[in-house]
Amino acid sequence: NAGVTQTPKFQVLKTGQSMTLQCAQDMNHNSMYWYRQDPGMGLRLIYYSASEGTTDKGEVPNGYNVSRLNKREFSLRLESAAPSQTSVYFCASTPWGGASTDTQYFGPGTRLTVL
Amino acid sequence: EDKVVQSPLSLVVHEGDTVTLNCSYEVTNFRSLLWYKQEKKAPTFLFMLTSSGIEKKSGRLSSILDKKELSSILNITATQTGDSAIYLCAVESGSNYQLIWGAGTKLIIKP
Repeated sequence: NAGVTQTPKFQVLKTGQSMTLQCAQDMNHNSMYWYRQDPGMGLRLIYYSASEGTTDKGEVPNGYNVSRLNKREFSLRLESAAPSQTSVYFCASTPWGGASTDTQYFGPGTRLTVL
Repeated sequence: EDKVVQSPLSLVVHEGDTVTLNCSYEVTNFRSLLWYKQEKKAPTFLFMLTSSGIEKKSGRLSSILDKKELSSILNITATQTGDSAIYLCAVESGSNYQLIWGAGTKLIIKP
């Protein structure tokens, strides 16, 4: 049982390049989330998927797209990377949406630098 | 606008000291408040506090929710170097079931 896994762990992009961050969980969770964490800013929600087949915008969705490929996988795509997207990206999952009943389980993070 | 504010932003103490970390919030339709510990990588869950569970304790760590003051504290007694981490507070809004995160308190424990 690996929990939540993310790939890659590190990535350096040039401005304008595109890439996809991958996230998978093996806990049979329904809800999955993408956050970015910047120094002094805490975690900010980019997109989330309450259940397979649905996705919704979070606090900072601009410049990103997501795909809930199946119950296990939730990917985050940067179509045209910008230096402002330099951050650490975390994927998380919960059995059901709503933290009152479930804690969020986090992946190890992807450190992305955009030059 | 919903917001969560943590204080202090950073704190340096010596091993054995007791520390108190603060979290205050302004969130529409409060459902729960969560504390996480983040060492080098992903945050790990510590406590969840709700209207029906305003005090939690686990070993040297304890947390209290004050719904009247819209705040919570996280206490760590007899601190150890392994307690060094960023402590994150998050509040769940019942309006959209999303978590609003504070910026964190960076705690450094000196031997």
